[in-house]
Amino acid sequence: DAGVIQSPRHEVTEMGQEVTLRCKPISGHDYLFWYRQTMMRGLELLIYFNNNVPIDDSGMPEDRFSAKMPNASFSTLKIQPSEPRDSAVYFCASSPDVNTGELFFGEGSRLTVL
Amino acid sequence: KQEVTQIPAALSVPEGENLVLNCSFTDSAIYNLQWFRQDPGKGLTSLLLIQSSQREQTSGRLNASLDKSSGRSTLYIAASQPGDSATYLCAVISNTDKLIFGTGTRLQVFP
Repeated sequence: DAGVIQSPRHEVTEMGQEVTLRCKPISGHDYLFWYRQTMMRGLELLIYFNNNVPIDDSGMPEDRFSAKMPNASFSTLKIQPSEPRDSAVYFCASSPDVNTGELFFGEGSRLTVL
Repeated sequence: KQEVTQIPAALSVPEGENLVLNCSFTDSAIYNLQWFRQDPGKGLTSLLLIQSSQREQTSGRLNASLDKSSGRSTLYIAASQPGDSATYLCAVISNTDKLIFGTGTRLQVFP
């Protein structure tokens, strides 16, 4: 398996633009997580899905952020409109069983909002 | 609310030293604890996973211990090498299914 695949790896956009980040989890993994990493706040959990259903989105900063998982092999994290404070590295991770299994991370999407 | 702390925040050692990284958590009701490694500009790689019923796990030169009652875990790295230079993060999962990360220890091993 190729591991968790994220795209784009880097994105630079202007304030107010819509940003869509994409993730393909490892096949067979029932859990998918979106994290954000910044120097100031470290790794923060934004939202996670179990069997394509959002379970906990309490970490989503505000209504500008939304995440979907239309099927078991694809998820998106959308920011609309984007702001400079959204600049961070966004990681997607998947796990076969979050209580007993390991978490596998993608390489991340580095977002810069000017 | 679970909080995870790692000490030290940064560590610089000469090659060959044995070293210990520390992780503490405030809520002992965890399902498991994981140690990750993150290289600059990269994602996280899982190193060791310790279930709540286990006391330690070993992989090569790495050994991780878990003491749930005291809310502590240590990652022991034997005979450190320059290739071990990275940021090491611990993370715990409790009954909320959320993996809560520590602040990380940035390790540099110099030749």
